[in-house]
Amino acid sequence: GENVEQHPSTLSVQEGDSAVIKCTYSDSASNYFPWYKQELGKRPQLIIDIRSNVGEKKDQRIAVTLNKTAKHFSLHITETQPEDSAVYFCAANDFGNEKLTFGTGTRLTIIP
Amino acid sequence: GAVVSQHPSWVICKSGTSVKIECRSLDFQATTMFWYRQFPKQSLMLMATSNEGSKATYEQGVEKDKFLINHASLTLSTLTVTSAHPEDSSFYICSAPTGSYEQYFGPGTRLTVT
Repeated sequence: GENVEQHPSTLSVQEGDSAVIKCTYSDSASNYFPWYKQELGKRPQLIIDIRSNVGEKKDQRIAVTLNKTAKHFSLHITETQPEDSAVYFCAANDFGNEKLTFGTGTRLTIIP
Repeated sequence: GAVVSQHPSWVICKSGTSVKIECRSLDFQATTMFWYRQFPKQSLMLMATSNEGSKATYEQGVEKDKFLINHASLTLSTLTVTSAHPEDSSFYICSAPTGSYEQYFGPGTRLTVT
């Protein structure tokens, strides 16, 4: 089955700076890569996703890049704000399947 | 995004009793729903895939007789934790895909077994 690794496990960034979280996956047939943000005690929220036919996607301050050859994808948050502090999870699906395998999570702290 | 509800949001039960958790897709139909378990400061671990009209598919190591799943309709899946024990205490979250891979999560149920 799919295996997803995520780094770093914790990340502290000065407010206004950029944050980058990286994930690698093992199944070359995976074709869907979402990112979720989870605040303490709350549900994971889908913040951005990318499909295998696209190399980059951007939504305001958030962007995701995908390198299919290297089997890795990254989340980029620019102009970070205190409300960006949360745990972020990457995930990858099984090909032709909606089942997701999640990374271990990154605890992002924005320092005011 | 799509809306998924979950009930109850928290429950405390005594060891040996059973607890039922409901997951509903409110504005879309879901032939498939997923049940996850999340321990503090850990990632989401898939427990099982709930399939409308057929048996659930359980992940390796998950006891199907302990975690009963019923997908009663296109908008409702239930997870019953049978004969709960303190080690079953956790945050249980369901999710439903919208049909284009996007998956939305319920608010979760915090189960505490005393």
